Amino acid sequence: DIQMTQSPSSVSAFVGDRVTITCRAGQGISSWLAWYQQKPGKAPNLLIYAASTLQSGVPSRFSGSGSGTDFTLTISSLQPEDFATYYCQQAYSLPRTFGQGTKVEIK
Amino acid sequence: EVQLLESGGGLVQPGGSLRLSCAASGFTFSSYAMSWVRQGPGKGLEWVSAISGSGDSTYYADSVKGRFTLSRDSSKNTLYLQMNSLRAEDTAVYFCAKDQRKGAPNYFDYWGQGTLVTVSS
Repeated sequence: DIQMTQSPSSVSAFVGDRVTITCRAGQGISSWLAWYQQKPGKAPNLLIYAASTLQSGVPSRFSGSGSGTDFTLTISSLQPEDFATYYCQQAYSLPRTFGQGTKVEIK
Repeated sequence: EVQLLESGGGLVQPGGSLRLSCAASGFTFSSYAMSWVRQGPGKGLEWVSAISGSGDSTYYADSVKGRFTLSRDSSKNTLYLQMNSLRAEDTAVYFCAKDQRKGAPNYFDYWGQGTLVTVSS
């Protein structure tokens, strides 16, 4: 199984801040990576796939980069509705594995 | 509009069985692989099982292999997860999720609201 490790586990930030979350794969996964946002009591929502492609309807302040083993999710200017938990997921091989999550909290 | 509606969750004793259903609408059900993903209380996401669009191929996480069976009925646009020999560690919210595109590899572009399974005596 491919292990996905996110850092940090949590981050506190102000509205308007730039926030970066990293995800490291235990082996190379090319660009087969997605990012999801999950709010409490809700299902995850696909933000970015193929490492850097924005899902339809997702605000442009979200961006993704990376390939191989190291990936980042950046929120360029944090908005109140962005406070949530973010997960990366590899689609390179089964089982599809997720990172442990990064909780973005209000500072 | 794509909709996924899970049902069938509840309280079950260790060793018991439960069948989850996921009713799909708004897309050509038989064209897309589907998965179940679960989330234990206060925990992260864990992929559980997937099934091809035709239903010919199924895949399972090691943690559920031999205990869970995934199937689909394209005439009813419904996905089923039969869960047997349930354990306390199977306690979670179970989400059904649609593959983003036909073929692999893949991501999940639509999710249901989830159904809670609690395994406890």
